[in-house]
Formats: sequence, structure tokens, C-alpha cells
Amino acid sequence: DAKTTQPTSMDCAEGRAANLPCNHSTISGNEYVYWYRQIHSQGPQYIIHGLKNNETNEMASLIITEDRKSSTLILPHATLRDTAVYYCIVIFTGANSKLTFGKGITLSVRP
Amino acid sequence: DAGVIQSPRHEVTEMGQEVTLRCKPISGHDYLFWYRQTMMRGLELLIYFNNNVPIDDSGMPEDRFSAKMPNASFSTLKIQPSEPRDSAVYFCASSLGYGPAYNEQFFGPGTRLTVL
Repeated sequence: DAKTTQPTSMDCAEGRAANLPCNHSTISGNEYVYWYRQIHSQGPQYIIHGLKNNETNEMASLIITEDRKSSTLILPHATLRDTAVYYCIVIFTGANSKLTFGKGITLSVRP
Repeated sequence: DAGVIQSPRHEVTEMGQEVTLRCKPISGHDYLFWYRQTMMRGLELLIYFNNNVPIDDSGMPEDRFSAKMPNASFSTLKIQPSEPRDSAVYFCASSLGYGPAYNEQFFGPGTRLTVL
């Protein structure tokens, strides 16, 4: 599975958009980009995933560059409850693939 | 659905004792995963099951660890004997297991294990 690189931390103001970057320059054509987050003292939570098209759901939007070497997770209106560690994972999908959680990026949403 | 259920939420035991962690996956999910999280090593996959059958246990640290899934709605992770270095948060997760949904894993709240 391709390796990902994320900043260690970032912050944003409550109500503003949080844009979390992820680099995955060695991604293969059939590898997906998944985002999870882990709020303090809770289990990881799936957010969104994509292959090459931009994706949006009720939680976030995922923007993948045309060359697929990087992506951005967008939380459109960050709240204090969005403070968490966010993990970007690139992985083949299907049986026998394994999610590998790196260090992630710590997002702090300030009032 | 109540989500993935784990018990106990907290466990404190003494070195050498047997510890059993329990997990009830989301109904209808074919895959069940056990993870361990520590500050030093982060989140690690220990073992996963497909339709109650263990598929990959390469992440199990040593023979003191064992996991079973006797039916589709129950799994256990057992540590015997426990050691202080086993202190961690243990998560259970489940997924539907087809196509990209395989990696849409739903995690339980975790069991915080402390071995004295």
C-alpha cells in the first residue's frame, strides 16, 4: 500500500472550513484514499473514501488531484466536536487489505 | 443498530492473570477486526475474521494472545498470562466486506486494559 504524508497538526476557527492535506505520491491506479478520524478516547470513525473523483457526504468532502498524488479532506463548517486526529490511508480495497493508521494530523478547532 | 459493542470498557488486572475481551459486531457484517492502540506503537491490527474464520493473525504479538469467533455475533480476544506491556486500548471493528465497503470499518468504543 502507498505511503501517505500528513502535517503533524493544524488548527482552524469554529465555523470555518478545515482543509486537511495528504500527500500520496506513490499511489497506484487501483488504490483508494480513505479518511478516518479519532476523537479523544473514542474508536476511529470512518469519514469518506474515493478513487479519483471528488466525493462528498454528510460529514466531509474529499478532493483528489487529477494525478492522484495528493488529496484534501474538507470539513465545510468545523465545530469544536471536530477536534480529533485525522488519518489519511491509501489502500487496495477488498479482502486481505489492511488499514494502516499512521500518526495522522491533529486538528484543533478553536472557539 | 447499536453499533459495535465491546465489553468490558475498562479492565484492571494483575500480571499473570487471564484477560478476556469481548466484541459484538454489527449485525450482517462479514468481517471482524481486533486492533490494539498504544502511545508508542499507535493503532495496530492484531487479527481479522471473515465469516467467523480467522484469516490473518500475523499481528498477534505472541502465543499469549488468542482470538475466537464462535458465531457471527460474538468474538473474544484472550490474553493468558497477561503482562504489564499488554496495557493498551483494544478496539474491535466490523465491516460489510465487499468492494470498497470492506475498508469502511465501524469501530467499537474500545476496552482500556491495565495490567499491573
